[in-house]
Amino acid sequence: EADIYQTPRYLVIGTGKKITLECSQTMGHDKMYWYQQDPGMELHLIHYSYGVNSTEKGDLSSESTVSRIRTEHFPLTLESARPSHTSQYLCASSKHPTSGTTDTQYFGPGTRLTVL
Amino acid sequence: GESVGLHLPTLSVQEGDNSIINCAYSNSASDYFIWYKQESGKGPQFIIDIRSNMDKRQGQRVTVLLNKTVKHLSLQIAATQPGDSAVYFCAENIRGGYQKVTFGTGTKLQVIP
Repeated sequence: EADIYQTPRYLVIGTGKKITLECSQTMGHDKMYWYQQDPGMELHLIHYSYGVNSTEKGDLSSESTVSRIRTEHFPLTLESARPSHTSQYLCASSKHPTSGTTDTQYFGPGTRLTVL
Repeated sequence: GESVGLHLPTLSVQEGDNSIINCAYSNSASDYFIWYKQESGKGPQFIIDIRSNMDKRQGQRVTVLLNKTVKHLSLQIAATQPGDSAVYFCAENIRGGYQKVTFGTGTKLQVIP
C-alpha cells in the first residue's frame, strides 16, 4: 500500500474562491504528479515535479499552479475557481529509477472538486 | 467540468471467465509498461509491469503479454471476479532525457455475476 495522501477528499466551493488541494507522500519519492480526470474518462497530466523547486506543466493546459518546496509535499492551487474546474484531481509520486528499478507511479485517493 | 478526450471502451465478462484487456502504444522508445486498476472513486492502483525485453510476465491471476512488433500490450485476468470490475489503464515509460510515463485511454471492465 502506497503512502500518499490527498486532502480534502471532496470539496464543493463557489465560483471565484481560491483553493489549494494538498498532496503528501511519505515514501521519499523524488517525482510527483497531478492528473485531472473526469468521470469515465482518461487521465490527463497537468503538472509534475522532479524534485524540490522543480515544477513543469503537463500535457493538458490547466489554470492551476503548483509548488514543490519540500520533497514530500506538492500542493495544487486554483486562484479563482470556476465551474469548468469541476473534476477529480489525482496526485501521484514515483521514485527516480536506478538500475534495475522502474518508475512506477503510486496514486493518492483523489480530490473530487465541484465548483458551483 | 467540460470533458476532454475519449469515453472509455467497456468490456463485459461473465464471472469466472477469463478477461483480456488490450492496449496499443506508439513509442518504440518505451522501455517498460505498467497496468493500473482504478476502482470507482479511487486512485489508480499498480497491478503489474513488464520490461521491453520481456514478452510475458505473470502475477497472481494476471498475465501481461507484450508484442513489440505490433506495439501491443494485453492484460489477461483469469477467472474474473466481481471485485475485478474497474477501469484498467496501461502506461508506457518513455526512455530518454527525463523519463515520462504516458497513460493509455483505459478500458472499463464490467463483471456480470
